[in-house]
Amino acid sequence: QKEVEQNSGPLSVPEGAIASLNCTYSDRVSQSFFWYRQYSGKSPELIMSIYSNGDKEDGRFTAQLNKASQYVSLLIRDSQPSDSATYLCAVFTGGGNKLTFGTGTQLKVEL
Amino acid sequence: DVKVTQSSRYLVKRTGEKVFLECVQDMDHENMFWYRQDPGLGLRLIYFSYDVKMKEKGDIPEGYSVSREKKERFSLILESASTNQTSMYLCASSLRVEYIQPQHFGDGTRLSIL
Repeated sequence: QKEVEQNSGPLSVPEGAIASLNCTYSDRVSQSFFWYRQYSGKSPELIMSIYSNGDKEDGRFTAQLNKASQYVSLLIRDSQPSDSATYLCAVFTGGGNKLTFGTGTQLKVEL
Repeated sequence: DVKVTQSSRYLVKRTGEKVFLECVQDMDHENMFWYRQDPGLGLRLIYFSYDVKMKEKGDIPEGYSVSREKKERFSLILESASTNQTSMYLCASSLRVEYIQPQHFGDGTRLSIL
């Protein structure tokens, strides 16, 4: 089992819709969780971090964390074509002092 | 804003050459990291450093070495480049060794080994 798993996609949503991106992780002691956005040919850019169970909102982005289910998600409201990118989930395990990345979900927002 | 600068965006080298990739950060971060990113495999950690002259192996250190002589600079060295080291290389830094600190990435170096 991979440490951090994401559906590779592509996930296609119409402009204005809510995009829902999901991530599961295997290490129960994981302490912090990050979402990065990566445009084609570019480097990852941090967009959200979350550390405790529940929801965290920042503009059109909402991160959701459920540690009991080992599940973290990213919701993008009012999706725009500029949101089309690959979204990487990253999980920090304190014991290993390492940030482990999923392979990313490709999101396509269609006009 | 955090600024992580990688010396080259694109680099072409030949098999057997010694290759140096340089990374500089301007935010006095303690931690620096080198990753490679390949399609279908995601980001894989090569080496990281949490202090000057300190280094730790990541998941795929074979064929690579690193150097951190100054806090702001972290170099990745391919001792004898091989074609399977053709990849996108990403440098990142974070403030401290604490779980709440995110990593910030440079623009990446796309390295081709011929």
